Amino acid sequence: QKEVEQDPGPLSVPEGAIVSLNCTYSNSAFQYFMWYRQYSRKGPELLMYTYSSGNKEDGRFTAQVDKSSKYISLFIRDSQPSDSATYLCATDMNSGGYQKVTFGTGTKLQVIP
Amino acid sequence: DVKVTQSSRYLVKRTGEKVFLECVQDMDHENMFWYRQDPGLGLRLIYFSYDVKMKEKGDIPEGYSVSREKKERFSLILESASTNQTSMYLCASSLWGQPQHFGDGTRLSIL
Repeated sequence: QKEVEQDPGPLSVPEGAIVSLNCTYSNSAFQYFMWYRQYSRKGPELLMYTYSSGNKEDGRFTAQVDKSSKYISLFIRDSQPSDSATYLCATDMNSGGYQKVTFGTGTKLQVIP
Repeated sequence: DVKVTQSSRYLVKRTGEKVFLECVQDMDHENMFWYRQDPGLGLRLIYFSYDVKMKEKGDIPEGYSVSREKKERFSLILESASTNQTSMYLCASSLWGQPQHFGDGTRLSIL
């Protein structure tokens, strides 16, 4: 079993829809949670970074963490064609003195005009 | 804004060659990382460094080495390139306790 599971998609939605992207993780030692957006032929770009359970909002993006069920989500409101990308969830814990980041394999999102 | 620059976007090399991938960051970050990204496998950590001249193995270090002579520069070396090292290589940097920031990657093909 992978430490971080993410549905690969692809996920196709019409422009303006609310998008829900999800990940589950298995290790309760994970402390920090991130979402990255990766456009084709580019590197991952940090979107959201959160520590505690609950919601964190930034513009059209909301990250949600539920540590009790080991579930993390990213919601995109009023989705735009420019949101079409692969979204990677990631978790982080201190391991032997360094921060080990574990990435999901990514969900490919397509927003159709 | 954090800027992580990888020297080449695309690179084609031959089997057995020694290959150097270069990465420079401009934000005085202590930590630097090298990953490879393959379809269905996600990002896998090759090596990382938390200080000049310091290096630690990641999850898949075999066939690779690294060099960090200056704080801003972290090099990945393929000692004798093989076809199974064809991949997207991503460099990242971070401050302690902060998330990693990535470069745009080098798509490496070994023929």
